[in-house]
Amino acid sequence: EVQLQQSGAELGKPGTSVKLSCKVSGYNIRNTYMHWVNQRPGKGLEWIGRIDPANGNTIYAEKFKSKATLTADTSSNTAYMQLSQLKSDDTAIYFCAIRGDWYFDFWGPGTMVTVSS
Amino acid sequence: DVVLTQTPVSLSVTLGDQASISCRSSQSLEYSDGYTYLEWYLQKPGQSPQLLIYEVSNRFSGVPDRFIGSGSGTDFTLKISRVEPEDLGVYYCFQATHDPNTFGAGTKLELK
Repeated sequence: EVQLQQSGAELGKPGTSVKLSCKVSGYNIRNTYMHWVNQRPGKGLEWIGRIDPANGNTIYAEKFKSKATLTADTSSNTAYMQLSQLKSDDTAIYFCAIRGDWYFDFWGPGTMVTVSS
Repeated sequence: DVVLTQTPVSLSVTLGDQASISCRSSQSLEYSDGYTYLEWYLQKPGQSPQLLIYEVSNRFSGVPDRFIGSGSGTDFTLKISRVEPEDLGVYYCFQATHDPNTFGAGTKLELK
């Protein structure tokens, strides 16, 4: 059974950084792309970017290029996303998802990030 | 970036009705390999999104046949015939043809 285990809720102060994790079991992340998506309170889904864990190549949505940094550790089968220079607008649920050739196969349950002083 | 415009923003239906959601793209979503990477997801409150349709019209495993995806190029539609209680939630179209990938803004399906 494939499972994506995301790290727990984060409370970050403005201007600081947080690093979220997404540990995958039952699926080798070398064989897929790991995507990240966010959802601000009461809003829609927003694609942040993806990483190819096999080589570390990344693609970001323009607005997240200086906000998010995606990495992956194939030895622990875990993907990471660091969010920097936190602002209140970064308050959201952040989902990781595995994407095969055609669609998002599996999703994590999401990590709530709250930015507040 | 590709903009996906979903209409309507919300849809109030009676159980058993048909519902139709449109997703229009600012660019053609046909990829150079001939495939069109347009998907539909349903998100229920407090849950992660779940896949309904991929490559415009292919139902994901276990998705009832009352969900029908259609379209080509820049114009796509998701039809739900005979809406049932478990169909309520927010529907999103998503394109993976172009980088960056993008979601539509969502359509909330609710009971009248």
